[in-house]
Amino acid sequence: TQSPRYKITETGRQVTLMCHQTWSHSYMFWYRQDPGLGLRLIYFSYDVKMKEKGDIPEGYSVSREKKERFSLILESASTNQTSMYLCASSANYGYTFGSGTRLTVV
Amino acid sequence: RKEVEQDPGPFNVPEGATVAFNCTYSNSASQSFFWYRQDCRKEPKLLMSVYSSGNEDGRFTAQLNRASQYISLLIRDSKLSDSATYLCVVKGWGGGADGLTFGKGTHLIIQP
Repeated sequence: TQSPRYKITETGRQVTLMCHQTWSHSYMFWYRQDPGLGLRLIYFSYDVKMKEKGDIPEGYSVSREKKERFSLILESASTNQTSMYLCASSANYGYTFGSGTRLTVV
Repeated sequence: RKEVEQDPGPFNVPEGATVAFNCTYSNSASQSFFWYRQDCRKEPKLLMSVYSSGNEDGRFTAQLNRASQYISLLIRDSKLSDSATYLCVVKGWGGGADGLTFGKGTHLIIQP
């Protein structure tokens, strides 16, 4: 479950996107999806307090204080971070995605 | 760099027809292969895994050709509800950054 579903924010503000899973999956991921660019991995986490950078981590940070929760933080939002953000979790085979957060930075 | 390439389409296909599209991958060490379906403004959902021997799920057939490094998806008797974007997904070793690599998707439009 991702929250919020939609978010409009102003340039320079901090934004936190939430992801919650109920399967006790070890792996959790944050992607962004943009037209023509497909899904791009921002960060992933294997376990609590463990995080690894993906392909495009710049401008983002993450927090995983509990196994079932993985948050994506935009410290200072910029217009080029306007996108659909998808969270996914995985036990070890195949991913299950959340419904996404559509973020608009104005 | 790991790459997964797909024809973005759109493929415009009349209802009831058979349609097939391919996906090529660059990493010969890839271990697992999947097709995901993504409806407009929705999240991707697993459609089917792809096995070396090929596999079928109702009207959908997936094939893997390791020698040529491509996978394919065949949809028979296409329905209007099959209209979606189909993502080719390849998995390397491990579950983290070596996990899934997504193609950019093939857009399929089934026309009445």
